[in-house]
Amino acid sequence: DAGVIQSPRHEVTEMGQEVTLRCKPISGHNSLFWYRQTMMRGLELLIYFNNNVPIDDSGMPEDRFSAKMPNASFSTLKIQPSEPRDSAVYFCASSPWLGRIDGYTFGSGTRLTVV
Amino acid sequence: AQKVTQAQTEISVVEKEDVTLDCVYETRDTTYYLFWYKQPPSGELVFLIRRNSFDEQNEISGRYSWNFQKSTSSFNFTITASQVVDSAVYFCALSEDSPDNYGQNFVFGPGTRLSVLP
Repeated sequence: DAGVIQSPRHEVTEMGQEVTLRCKPISGHNSLFWYRQTMMRGLELLIYFNNNVPIDDSGMPEDRFSAKMPNASFSTLKIQPSEPRDSAVYFCASSPWLGRIDGYTFGSGTRLTVV
Repeated sequence: AQKVTQAQTEISVVEKEDVTLDCVYETRDTTYYLFWYKQPPSGELVFLIRRNSFDEQNEISGRYSWNFQKSTSSFNFTITASQVVDSAVYFCALSEDSPDNYGQNFVFGPGTRLSVLP
C-alpha cells in the first residue's frame, strides 16, 4: 500500500488566494483526519470524517476553512481567502474505522506558506 | 479533559548515549491509548508504538523501549545507544476511549526535539 498521499508537498501562495490541499487515504480506511501543525500550537485536529461524512469540524479555525470528502479515496482542505497566519504544515491521516484505535497513518504533510 | 505533557523541549546527546524522553498524561477515562510518533527532519509523522491502558507491560523493540506506569501517569520512551538517525521530534499522544469521541481525537504533546551529535 502506498500509504496516505498528500499533495502538494509544498505550497507558496499570496495572501488572499485560494489554496486547496489534497489527500488520498489508505484504501479501505473509513476515517480521515486533517491536522495542522505550527510551532505555536503544535498539532491540532481540524476536522475528521467517517465514511465520507464530516463528524466533527470544531477544530476548523474559521469559515475561511472548508473540507470535503466526495468519496472514500479523496479529501480536500480548502482555505479561501488565505492569510499569512495560515502558514503551517497540514497533515492528513486515515484509520481503518471510527473507534478502531490502531493509531493513525499520517501522510507526509503539505507545507503551506502564505506570503 | 485529556492532556499530554512533554516537559523536555529539546535534548542533545552524543552518539551511543542512552536517552529517555518523558511523557506525562492526564485523563479521566479508565480506557485510553497512548502513542509515540517520530517526526524526522523530512517532516512526516511515523508511528512508533501504541499502548492501551490495560497493558502495563514494558515493551522493547530493538534500541527502543517504552516504560508505561499508570501510577505516575507516565509513558516514557528510551533510546539505547542513540544514533544520528534518531535525531527527530518525538510526539507522545493520548486517545481516550469515550463514547463522546469514539477515541478518535488524539491529543498530542508538544514534542521533544532530540539531536544526536556524532
